[in-house]
Amino acid sequence: DIVMTQSPTSMSISVGDRVTMNCKASQNVGSNVDWYQQKTGQSPKLLIYKASNRYTGVPDRFTGSGSGTDFTFTISNMQAEDLAVYYCMQSNSFTFGSGTKLEIK
Amino acid sequence: QVQLKETGPDLVQLTQTLSITCTVSGFSLTTYNVHWVRQPPGKGLEWMGAMWNGGGTDYNSAFKSRLSISRDTSKSQVFLKMNSLQTDDTAKYFCARQPNYPGRDYFDYWGQGVMVTVSS
Repeated sequence: DIVMTQSPTSMSISVGDRVTMNCKASQNVGSNVDWYQQKTGQSPKLLIYKASNRYTGVPDRFTGSGSGTDFTFTISNMQAEDLAVYYCMQSNSFTFGSGTKLEIK
Repeated sequence: QVQLKETGPDLVQLTQTLSITCTVSGFSLTTYNVHWVRQPPGKGLEWMGAMWNGGGTDYNSAFKSRLSISRDTSKSQVFLKMNSLQTDDTAKYFCARQPNYPGRDYFDYWGQGVMVTVSS
């Protein structure tokens, strides 16, 4: 099974900060990684697909990059409404990372 | 518009069987794939399995022996059935839609989830 190791587990950030988190796949998954945002009490929401493609309606402050085994997700200008847990998922065989929780400093 | 809604019990007894229905609208089960994902309280997401648009299924090997996914296309419903429940099966269970197009291997719509507690 493909394991997605996501880091960090949590981050304390301020509005306006640049936020970066990572996912490392245990084997080559090509560009088949998606990123989801889950706010408290809500269902996950797709932000990035195929490693770097922004889904419809997603603000351009959210970006993704990477291929093979190493992937990065960035929020360029953190907003208060971005407080959430973010998950990567490899879509070859569907495994999620453990999540990165963003908290206000 | 596209909607998915999970319905099922709030409480299931230890060792019993869990049955959850995902009723979809706004799209056809013969055109899109539907997946099941669960989330224990305060923890992360876990993929459980998929009903493909053609009627085939795939399962997470962690559940393969006790999980079954089926569908009724005439009712636009996908069913999850899992037996031998344990307390660590306590979780919110989501169904999610996946487009059946190359390069679209993502979950674009999710249900609100149903919280199931396994009780002894």
